Amino acid sequence: GAVVSQHPSRVICKSGTSVKIECRSLDFQATTMFWYRQFPKKSLMLMATSNEGSKATYEQGVEKDKFLINHASLTLSTLTVTSAHPEDSSFYICSANPVGRDHSPLHFGNGTRLTVT
Amino acid sequence: GQNIDQPTEMTATEGAIVQINCTYQTSGFNGLFWYQQHAGEAPTFLSYNVLDGLEEKGRFSSFLSRSKGYSYLLLKELQMKDSASYLCAVRDSNYQLIWGAGTKLIIKP
Repeated sequence: GAVVSQHPSRVICKSGTSVKIECRSLDFQATTMFWYRQFPKKSLMLMATSNEGSKATYEQGVEKDKFLINHASLTLSTLTVTSAHPEDSSFYICSANPVGRDHSPLHFGNGTRLTVT
Repeated sequence: GQNIDQPTEMTATEGAIVQINCTYQTSGFNGLFWYQQHAGEAPTFLSYNVLDGLEEKGRFSSFLSRSKGYSYLLLKELQMKDSASYLCAVRDSNYQLIWGAGTKLIIKP
């Protein structure tokens, strides 16, 4: 149980375009989902916390207008990288916990490898 | 500030035992997690410690000492597929996960 699906797994886009990444909890509901990015050989960096039905909470230094997060339902959160540039190329990973199980380990999606040319 | 320290890289031999250490300084403590991450993949959960002591799960064990702010992950009977990065993460008083930079484990035949 507690499967998180992330799509697409890999995307290549041109500079200036926008890319949407979906994160779905397949067999549980999640009021909160987390978006991370990871550069090569670096650890996970929390970008933002996605809250169902309300605004996302962004970490310091993360531009909310560039990384748009929508959490419209208890099973879906989306991250849109707007006007992508080569420096946005990274590995983006979402994670979630079932509602009421804050003590549980995070369940991760398989990640999205974004390459901006 | 909050931080988690773990070695950057370790090398071990197939069939041997390796211990990966993690020390932490956080605002409160609500559990420590170990994750395994293969290159290009998302992390997968290995173990969880919230009380002092050793948690054993097959070839993997994890130990916690809250008074020392210290944990280790012990991997026995190493296999080539164990080559990966191992991430230590602590949940603080606000239930936020603080991540270590990860330890890259290289297994040699």
